[in-house]
Amino acid sequence: DAGITQSPRHKVTETGTPVTLRCHQTENHRYMYWYRQDPGHGLRLIHYSYGVKDTDKGEVSDGYSVSRSKTEDFLLTLESATSSQTSVYFCAISFGREQFFGPGTRLTVL
Amino acid sequence: RKEVEQDPGPFNVPEGATVAFNCTYSNSASQSFFWYRQDCRKEPKLLMSVYSSGNEDGRFTAQLNRASQYISLLIRDSKLSDSATYLCVVNKSGTYKYIFGTGTRLKVLA
Repeated sequence: DAGITQSPRHKVTETGTPVTLRCHQTENHRYMYWYRQDPGHGLRLIHYSYGVKDTDKGEVSDGYSVSRSKTEDFLLTLESATSSQTSVYFCAISFGREQFFGPGTRLTVL
Repeated sequence: RKEVEQDPGPFNVPEGATVAFNCTYSNSASQSFFWYRQDCRKEPKLLMSVYSSGNEDGRFTAQLNRASQYISLLIRDSKLSDSATYLCVVNKSGTYKYIFGTGTRLKVLA
């Protein structure tokens, strides 16, 4: 158990609304990641963080922003949700070279 | 061509059978390799890292072939509980970037 929680676990929202997903870890890991998982695609990296206030873009970052104001929390924000952002979102930490995932957030944008 | 490719399956095998999956990767600079297991609607969980010399964990054996750029996972004496999707993951050398395959689905039948 890597001590990762995500909230909310499920969310339904409407197109155009802002949405923030939270990832919380209890073990002081430096590296944190946000992925999305869609049918026919592997997990795809949205953003990652290598420390407090240090973040970088992944391969599918358009329409998403992140913030990390303290080690334990990594927030993913959809500024104006679109139907193409309906997905399952996973947060991860890395320890050494291995990654460990949170339980996921299932987001539906209507 | 995708950076990491897996046969999506499903592989339907009887209990007790031996089954093997391969995963090919395109970037020869890839440095670290992993197999994850993902159950339906759950997060990926690390099954095993793959070392250059190959490694074994109980009924599971992982191999790396750098010359042909593939990794493999062998499951012996399959159990019903092995039914899941198996994800191949490659870490690019010198980066925090992990590339995921789309997964191979295994169904172990009674």
